[in-house]
Parts: sequence; structure tokens; C-alpha cells
Amino acid sequence: AQRVTQPEKLLSVFKGAPVELKCNYSYSGSPELFWYVQYSRQRLQLLLRHISRESIKGFTADLNKGETSFHLKKPFAQEEDSAMYYCALKGGSSNTGKLIFGQGTTLQVKP
Amino acid sequence: DGGITQSPKYLFRKEGQNVTLSCEQNLNHDAMYWYRQDPGQGLRLIYYSQIVNDFQKGDIAEGYSVSREKKESFPLTVTSAQKNPTAFYLCASSIRRESNEQFFGPGTRLTVL
Repeated sequence: AQRVTQPEKLLSVFKGAPVELKCNYSYSGSPELFWYVQYSRQRLQLLLRHISRESIKGFTADLNKGETSFHLKKPFAQEEDSAMYYCALKGGSSNTGKLIFGQGTTLQVKP
Repeated sequence: DGGITQSPKYLFRKEGQNVTLSCEQNLNHDAMYWYRQDPGQGLRLIYYSQIVNDFQKGDIAEGYSVSREKKESFPLTVTSAQKNPTAFYLCASSIRRESNEQFFGPGTRLTVL
């Protein structure tokens, strides 16, 4: 079964602390994984994708096929990082574009 | 202003009534999607369409129907058969079905009274 699990509903850290939002997936084949973010009163938007191996707003995520994980990390959290974060897996038997989302993690960065 | 629009922002419905949620995009995207967002459950795919006049069921299609008569429009009807329709509904689109990025609308919050 294709599945994405985000074990933490809420992650609360202080400004300047490191952040790691966990994401585990279940998928047979080569997965394509993404992190989407929803800031308060804004639309859900793509943060980063594993294919690009990019760093966006200081966030990085590495695909670990052995552990079937795609955790999102940032060394020093900022208050403006407070948002809902969703990990997503491109699913389906062919290139349908279907995304399978995790349950989401709310990141709260305290001053 | 380009992008995806959804209307209305808030919608109230009596039990037993059908209701249609609008989703329009002027991005010239081929693929469009409807998701349902519930607290603690993330986003779940209701229906998707990869091209005009074609659509497929997602993971939770029961009680919903869609049409894709025009490239820019993908309305979702929540029928009386949907047992628990109160939720936040998100529409999204992507350039083509193989595209990695989906662009989301602002959402419609449906409440059944």
C-alpha cells in the first residue's frame, strides 16, 4: 500500500533551535517525495521536492530509501517558519500526478 | 490575476441537499484535482482529471461527482449520499499529469447544518 506517515501532529520549538519534521513512506518502486507548507491564511504551496535536492528557506530534506524516510530539517528555526507542513508522495501506477499526503505536522516556533 | 480560484469561501447546506463547489484556473493547466482536508487526516484525493472530458476517482469518491467540460473548470458536486460532507475542500492543478508540482486554490469550507 502507498502511504505517508507524519507521526507528530504538533512540533513546538524555540526560535533558533533545530527543527526536524518526520516523514515516513510506504511505496514499492522509486518514490518521488515532496514537502508542502501552508502558512496562516495562505494557500498550500510546494516547499521542496527530493529530486531537486534544493534548500528552500533554509530547509532541506534527504530521501533515505533504507529507512523509507524523508524528514524535513532546518538548523535554526525562525518564527516565520510556523505553519502546517505536509509530506507528500507521488502515487499511482503510472504518471497520474496523484499525490498521497501525510496527516500534517503543525510547527510552532516560539520567540 | 492568474491562479486558481474557488468559490464560495464558505458554504452552508442542509442535510439532503446537493451542493456544487466551483474551481477555476487560468494557468492553462491540463490536470486538476479535488482534495478534502480534515483535521488529523491530511488531504485525501476525491477526484482528478488529467485532460478535458476525462476524470478518475480518487481515494474517497463516494458521494461526490465532478465534470470537466472545459480545461479551466473542474466543479465538484457534494451529493446527499456523502455521509459526512462537512470539511474543507481544496482544488489544485498542475501543468500536466506528469508534473511534480500542484498549485492549490484557497479552499471552500462546507458545513452541513
